[in-house]
Amino acid sequence: AQKVTQAQTEISVVEKEDVTLDCVYETRDTTYYLFWYKQPPSGELVFLIRRNSFDEQNEISGRYSWNFQKSTSSFNFTITASQVVDSAVYFCALSGDGGFKTIFGAGTRLFVKA
Amino acid sequence: DTEVTQTPKHLVMGMTNKKSLKCEQHMGHRAMYWYKQKAKKPPELMFVYSYEKLSINESVPSRFSPECPNSSLLNLHLHALQPEDSALYLCASSHPISGSTYNEQFFGPGTRLTVL
Repeated sequence: AQKVTQAQTEISVVEKEDVTLDCVYETRDTTYYLFWYKQPPSGELVFLIRRNSFDEQNEISGRYSWNFQKSTSSFNFTITASQVVDSAVYFCALSGDGGFKTIFGAGTRLFVKA
Repeated sequence: DTEVTQTPKHLVMGMTNKKSLKCEQHMGHRAMYWYKQKAKKPPELMFVYSYEKLSINESVPSRFSPECPNSSLLNLHLHALQPEDSALYLCASSHPISGSTYNEQFFGPGTRLTVL
């Protein structure tokens, strides 16, 4: 069975602080895909990143960075120098090879205060 | 065009009404999805269409009836809903990256449904 765990329900930081959102996953598939989505108060889920199970390279995109470690089944997301506009719910998600189903974690609600 | 559109944005309906939610994408994606999302919960998959054929029905009650008229459109027909069906309904689409595995999903803004 596949599972995604986001243990942090809510995180509150002050603007310009760095923040890391944790994601731990479980799967028996040898090929799988991991995703992060952002859901601002407007409601629309916005795709941030996809990582394939065979590519453990970390990735940086502006203030965002992702750390993928198969050894610990983790795919953590760090926002550097957070901004108020980063306030949203962030979902980590997993899909296996050969299927349409994406399993979402429970989400982490991030509050960034000015 | 890199967006998924959904209409209406808000819908209030009685338990005896019949209504439809509409979703449209022009990105050439061949998989389209309906999700239901309750407050403070992750999206729950309802249906998946692949190449205009229903591929997944997650044991959704028959009062929800999906339809995929063509590769760009996805409808969700609603009839005799219950108050507990009130939620945000999200449509998404994705593009195949291999024969059977699909890429990341692009979501529409959702329809916020209230059933009285």
